[in-house]
Amino acid sequence: AQSVAQPEDQVNVAEGNPLTVKCTYSVSGNPYLFWYVQYPNRGLQFLLKYITGDNLVKGSYGFEAEFNKSQTSFHLKKPSALVSDSALYFCAVESGNTGKLIFGQGTTLQVKP
Amino acid sequence: NAGVTQTPKFRVLKTGQSMTLLCAQDMNHEYMYWYRQDPGMGLRLIHYSVGEGTTAKGEVPDGYNVSRLKKQNFLLGLESAAPSQTSVYFCASNPNPGALRTFGSGTRLTVV
Repeated sequence: AQSVAQPEDQVNVAEGNPLTVKCTYSVSGNPYLFWYVQYPNRGLQFLLKYITGDNLVKGSYGFEAEFNKSQTSFHLKKPSALVSDSALYFCAVESGNTGKLIFGQGTTLQVKP
Repeated sequence: NAGVTQTPKFRVLKTGQSMTLLCAQDMNHEYMYWYRQDPGMGLRLIHYSVGEGTTAKGEVPDGYNVSRLKKQNFLLGLESAAPSQTSVYFCASNPNPGALRTFGSGTRLTVV
């Protein structure tokens, strides 16, 4: 069965510092991996995805994520955090051709000035 | 603008009442999904459809039914609402597995 774990409920960073939001997954077959962001009272916005190819994926708003097959991880990173990055972040995994996208429980990112 | 439209945006139901949530997409997508979002639990897949006339169960299908009579519409039904179904419901669609999903803006449902 597919599963996604985001081990941190909340991540706090100071503006200008690098940030990492962690994600690990379990899936049979080759995974499709996604990061989404949700601002208060809004829907989900796509940040980036990994399907195949280069393990370092670059996405919207300066975010990037590194696919690590041996550690089954797909951590979200940004070199310099902004206060406006404060939001709820979701990692998600889809296995092969199932069409089923399974989400992690979410991590709240708080960037303080 | 093209996208996924959910109606209604807000609804309050009494326990035992029934209702249908409508999801409509105008992108000719084959795949459609219904999720519920609860604090601390992320989004959980209720039901999904891989094409017109098909439906399949997701992670939390109990208490819900769905129908996909037309390709552009995916209906989520609650036959007898329970307080445990208080949640924010999101619909999404995509053309094929692995493709970017487009999400609707959500329906906030409260069951009292």
